[in-house]
Amino acid sequence: GQQVMQIPQYQHVQEGEDFTTYCNSSTTLSNIQWYKQRPGGHPVFLIQLVKSGEVKKQKRLTFQFGEAKKNSSLHITATQTTDVGTYFCAGPRNDYKLSFGAGTTVTVRA
Amino acid sequence: GAGVSQSPSNKVTEKGKDVELRCDPISGHTALYWYRQSLGQGLEFLIYFQGNSAPDKSGLPSDRFSAERTGGSVSTLTIQRTQQEDSAVYLCASRLQGSSGNTIYFGEGSWLTVV
Repeated sequence: GQQVMQIPQYQHVQEGEDFTTYCNSSTTLSNIQWYKQRPGGHPVFLIQLVKSGEVKKQKRLTFQFGEAKKNSSLHITATQTTDVGTYFCAGPRNDYKLSFGAGTTVTVRA
Repeated sequence: GAGVSQSPSNKVTEKGKDVELRCDPISGHTALYWYRQSLGQGLEFLIYFQGNSAPDKSGLPSDRFSAERTGGSVSTLTIQRTQQEDSAVYLCASRLQGSSGNTIYFGEGSWLTVV
C-alpha cells in the first residue's frame, strides 16, 4: 500500500540556521498536507499543497510539492526555538484516509 | 464547541481493565477519525466514521478495540482487557467532509497509561 516516508527522523539545529526535511511517497499523491506537533501537544495543520511543483511560504517556512507529486519538502530559515516540535507530512491513501509519515522531530540549540 | 474535545485527557488504568475514551468533534463535521500515537512514534490510523456509512475499522489492532459513533456526533473508543502495549496517546480528529482535500482537526488527545 501507499507509504509516506520522512527524513531525517531527527533534526538538531543551531538557532539561526536553516534546514530542510523531506517527505517521499511510494505513489503519486493528489495532495500533501503538513502538520506540526509541539512537545506534549497535538498535531496542528500547517498547509496543504495540491499542484505539481507548488511552492507555498508561511513566514520562515517554505513548503514545496514535487513535480511528480510524489515528494515534498519543508524548509525552515533562521530557525528559532519556537520551531521545536515534530513535523508530519500526510498524503491521502484514498478518498478519506490520510497516511502520515513518522515525522521529523526538530530540536534547537541556542 | 470550537475544537475537537476529548476526555479524559489522562487515564491510568490497571492491566486487564476496560477503558472508554470519548471524542466530541467539531460541530457539523461529518468525518471522524481515531489515531494512536505511541511515545515518539508517528500516527497510527485506527478507525474512520463518515456520516451514516459503515465505518472503516481496518486500523484497529485487535478485537479488544472497538468504537462507535452515536447520532453522527460523539464517538467512544473502547479498549477491553487493556495491555501495557496499549499505552499511548489516542487522538481523535474530525473533518468537515470525507474528502481528503479537507483539513483534519485533531483534539488534544487522551493519554492512556496501562500499569
